[in-house]
Amino acid sequence: KAGVTQTPRYLIKTRGQQVTLSCSPISGHRSVSWYQQTPGQGLQFLFEYFSETQRNKGNFPGRFSGRQFSNSRSEMNVSTLELGDSALYLCASSSLSLETQYFGPGTRLLVL
Amino acid sequence: GENVEQHPSTLSVQEGDSAVIKCTYSDSASNYFPWYKQELGKRPQLIIDIRSNVGEKKDQRIAVTLNKTAKHFSLHITETQPEDSAVYFCAASSTGNQFYFGTGTSLTVIP
Repeated sequence: KAGVTQTPRYLIKTRGQQVTLSCSPISGHRSVSWYQQTPGQGLQFLFEYFSETQRNKGNFPGRFSGRQFSNSRSEMNVSTLELGDSALYLCASSSLSLETQYFGPGTRLLVL
Repeated sequence: GENVEQHPSTLSVQEGDSAVIKCTYSDSASNYFPWYKQELGKRPQLIIDIRSNVGEKKDQRIAVTLNKTAKHFSLHITETQPEDSAVYFCAASSTGNQFYFGTGTSLTVIP
């Protein structure tokens, strides 16, 4: 099976702009989770979608939002970008809850 | 919510020695504990996991132990090799797929 894919891989934006990141899970996986990875904070959970419904949400402001489509592909949107949003954004998919999560390569976002 | 602490943040060992990384968690409801390895510039990959109904799990040179009473779990790597050099993350989850990660341990194996 093909692995988890994320697009784009790199992105440069300026403060105040918005950005949309995409994640395609492994075929058959219905759960997609999003994480923000920064050098000082490690991996921080953003949210998780399962069958088009957001099941869990981390402690991030409302500027961070997401959605999942019927084919399980997921998008994450960040509005009104801040310098502190610069990070590696990883998505991970799994078939069921509390099962192995497979990570994508990430999207590296730089906010100037 | 859950809080996962991971120690040490950096670890250097001689090739062939053992490495131990420890994590503690706060939520007694957490029942699934995966460990991930992330090499430089690559995605995190699961190396081993353990569930709360098991005290220890081993896979070749890697083992994980869980102490539910003390709320801590540890990763043990024996006979370390240079290719074991990476950042290791522990995580804990109690419901769905909401995982809380430790801040990572950068392991360097010196040839």
